[in-house]
Amino acid sequence: GAVVSQHPSWVICKSGTSVKIECRSLDFQATTMFWYRQFPKQSLMLMATSNEGSKATYEQGVEKDKFLINHASLTLSTLTVTSAHPEDSSFYICSAREGVSSSTDTQYFGPGTRLTVL
Amino acid sequence: AQSVTQLDSHVSVSEGTPVLLRCNYSSSYSPSLFWYVQHPNKGLQLLLKYTSAATLVKGINGFEAEFKKSETSFHLTKPSAHMSDAAEYFCVVTITDSWGKLQFGAGTQVVVTP
Repeated sequence: GAVVSQHPSWVICKSGTSVKIECRSLDFQATTMFWYRQFPKQSLMLMATSNEGSKATYEQGVEKDKFLINHASLTLSTLTVTSAHPEDSSFYICSAREGVSSSTDTQYFGPGTRLTVL
Repeated sequence: AQSVTQLDSHVSVSEGTPVLLRCNYSSSYSPSLFWYVQHPNKGLQLLLKYTSAATLVKGINGFEAEFKKSETSFHLTKPSAHMSDAAEYFCVVTITDSWGKLQFGAGTQVVVTP
C-alpha cells in the first residue's frame, strides 16, 4: 500500500532556530502534498498545499515566510519552520495524494513530527 | 462550502459491543467522504472511503459506513469493539476544488473498556 514517511519523528530545538521536516512518498509519486498542524486533543488544521515544481498555496492565517514549503520532486516535500518560537510547538503531519482526480483520491498520511521549541 | 459535523466528541463502549460514530456532512456537490483513525501520537490511517459507488462501504478492521444522501450522514459502525479500537476517529470530506483539500471533523475519541 501507499506509504508516506516523515523525518524526523520528533525534534526539540531552541527558540530562534530553524527546523526542517521532510515528507516522502515511498512507493508512489505524489503530485500534491499537504501540510497539517495538530494541537493536543484537536483536529487537523490544513496549513498549505504543495504541488511539485510550483509555489505552495497557504491557508488563510498561515505565515508563508514562517513556514517555508518546498516540493522539489514527486516524492519529497519539506516544511521549514523558520525562527521557531514556543508557540510553534505542535504536531506536524503531512499527507500525499497519489492520483490526478482530486475529489476521489485518497490522501495518505505520514506518521507526524512532534516539534518542541524551548 | 463543504463541512462535516461529528456528533459525539467522546464515545465509550465495552469490548465486544457495537460501535457507532456519527457524522453528518454538508456539501453542494456529490461528496467524497472518508473515515480516518489516529492512535496516540501517530499519523492517520484510512479506514474507508465513499466516492459515489456503493452506499455501504466496507473498510479495514471490521469497520463499515453507510452513505445516506437523504440524511446527509456517513456514520461509522463496527459490530464488536476490540481494545485496539481505542483511538481518535475523524470524518472527512473532500473540499471541491482543484487540489483535493480535505475538511476534517472535530474528531471522536473512542474508549474501549474491558
